[in-house]
Amino acid sequence: ETGVTQSPTHLIKTRGQQVTLRCSSQSGHNTVSWYQQALGQGPQFIFQYYREEENGRGNFPPRFSGLQFPNYSSELNVNALELDDSALYLCASSWGQGTDTQYFGPGTRLTVL
Amino acid sequence: GIQVEQSPPDLILQEGANSTLRCNFSDSVNNLQWFHQNPWGQLINLFYIPSGTKQNGRLSATTVATERYSLLYISSSQTTDSGVYFCAATNDYKLSFGAGTTVTVRA
Repeated sequence: ETGVTQSPTHLIKTRGQQVTLRCSSQSGHNTVSWYQQALGQGPQFIFQYYREEENGRGNFPPRFSGLQFPNYSSELNVNALELDDSALYLCASSWGQGTDTQYFGPGTRLTVL
Repeated sequence: GIQVEQSPPDLILQEGANSTLRCNFSDSVNNLQWFHQNPWGQLINLFYIPSGTKQNGRLSATTVATERYSLLYISSSQTTDSGVYFCAATNDYKLSFGAGTTVTVRA
């Protein structure tokens, strides 16, 4: 059984640029959730994708967008990067919408200069 | 969404000591998980425990759903137990995390 993987592990961008982060879900899972973790804080929910549809969204602006593919892998896109977007981005996969255990990937650490 | 509060924010233990971490949540839940975040940032699942009691080695957890709290017990702590412990809960699809408890175990 393959666990949740994310790429890249680290990324440095400048303000105003765009970034795409990728997540491969654990085999057998059909749901991917994305979280942002700022330094010293707990993760904050960005959005969830279930069977290729956005299932729900947290308090993040529209410049945060995503996709889920037929194999249930997912992308997180952030446009017009701001300094405050510097954070650890975590994805989690699960079976079903919310009630099942969520398994997290290793994260992508994004630095915006 | 659900509000999650964890206490204490920091805990310093001598190796071999026992400890209890607490998580209070603001509403009924259908999912509650405890995680240990390793130094590289990955969240390691410890327990999925929306109610009841579970044990895994030196760790155990209890959730009293009717009183809206969960406890994580660490027994005979080891230096490898150091790190940040998070509680996260939801009653829909959005996991809400607490601010974490930073545990330092000294040899």
